Amino acid sequence: NAGVTQTPKFQVLKTGQSMTLQCAQDMNHEYMSWYRQDPGMGLRLIHYSVGAGITDQGEVPNGYNVSRSTTEDFPLRLLSAAPSQTSVYFCASSSTVFTEAFFGQGTRLTVV
Amino acid sequence: AQRVTQPEKLLSVFKGAPVELKCNYSYSGSPELFWYVQYSRQRLQLLLRHISRESIKGFTADLNKGETSFHLKKPFAQEEDSAMYYCALSWGAQKLVFGQGTRLTINP
Repeated sequence: NAGVTQTPKFQVLKTGQSMTLQCAQDMNHEYMSWYRQDPGMGLRLIHYSVGAGITDQGEVPNGYNVSRSTTEDFPLRLLSAAPSQTSVYFCASSSTVFTEAFFGQGTRLTVV
Repeated sequence: AQRVTQPEKLLSVFKGAPVELKCNYSYSGSPELFWYVQYSRQRLQLLLRHISRESIKGFTADLNKGETSFHLKKPFAQEEDSAMYYCALSWGAQKLVFGQGTRLTINP
């Protein structure tokens, strides 16, 4: 009964380093998305995907890359980490456009 | 542009008192609105959505298109209701726009 699984849970990066946040879901959901959560700003959409091979930008895409080679996986890549990317990152999936979004437990990223 | 506003960052009420968490939105189309909740050390989860018109854990929310509001209400607060609450608007392809969140604390 895994649902949406994110790895790692915590990560510290140095400025300029790159890394990939992993997201996997086992519910055969078509829709997947990445959000970042910052104090006082709620969750903001970074990138989303409506199916394997299809991705698009959200509200705050700069500095991030995504790909969707399978239905299950939707990794988020930080190309060159910056302190402004210090945040909590959430991955979510849903079966259709307007149904419930299931969230992962989050990844707390600190860039020093 | 789509926007969701939750005017209260913090809300504190006593157990047994009524609770109302405010949410206002701006969207030119027909909105799909949700309330999500995050309990301490748990992941974000759906509390309720306006089209289902359900009462979940005693909470209800009515969509008021005239006032562009979707306030969350509960007549008698319980201590286990303490959590972070987010109002969200969906405008297609699971693109959710979230409010800033309200941290609700229920005092014993």
